[in-house]
Amino acid sequence: DTEVTQTPKHLVMGMTNKKSLKCEQHMGHRAMYWYKQKAKKPPELMFVYSYEKLSINESVPSRFSPECPNSSLLNLHLHALQPEDSALYLCASSLSGPGGSGNTIYFGEGSWLTVV
Amino acid sequence: TQLLEQSPQFLSIQEGENLTVYCNSSSVFSSLQWYRQEPGEGPVLLVTVVTGGEVKKLKRLTFQFGDARKDSSLHITAAQPGDTGLYLCAVRAGGTSYGKLTFGQGTILTVHP
Repeated sequence: DTEVTQTPKHLVMGMTNKKSLKCEQHMGHRAMYWYKQKAKKPPELMFVYSYEKLSINESVPSRFSPECPNSSLLNLHLHALQPEDSALYLCASSLSGPGGSGNTIYFGEGSWLTVV
Repeated sequence: TQLLEQSPQFLSIQEGENLTVYCNSSSVFSSLQWYRQEPGEGPVLLVTVVTGGEVKKLKRLTFQFGDARKDSSLHITAAQPGDTGLYLCAVRAGGTSYGKLTFGQGTILTVHP
């Protein structure tokens, strides 16, 4: 099973709403990631969790709040977003944390977010 | 300045044609990866190249890593409509930036029947 599962697949939210994106993997991977992708552009890294600890935050605005409750789950809490935050949000995972640079990163299918 | 310069950005061809996508950099990498992303899906890893001069084949796809490990190419022979998608080259950072997968700008390939 090489699956990263993301829910919901589509989300429409208002600028005052609070919502969450969820990601789950059962491959025993210890590194998990959030990427943001605009149409026809490459994914851009937002956050990296390694062994359930936040190891990289690419200067993401605080209206995006990641959470890693356990080694299989990764959430992205959304609050007071702007229309320009509308994008595809991709979760990914890989086997190990620092030092395992050769490990494959597996991506989920993404959550399409529209902020109105 | 982009770490990875990918070209062309757009490619529209007829079924049966051949094509090549390039990924160039002034930096040396220990490895380089190619992904394909279909509409509505996440990126899927096609191949990882690690040795300078390495050539890997995946059916009609041929991947090459430059001798100096600064560039790579993806060649598709006899393209089919199912090859349509966004092709991305990517490199992994190491050390304290481990996990940062940096992508090229991508090549949007459309293969017309």
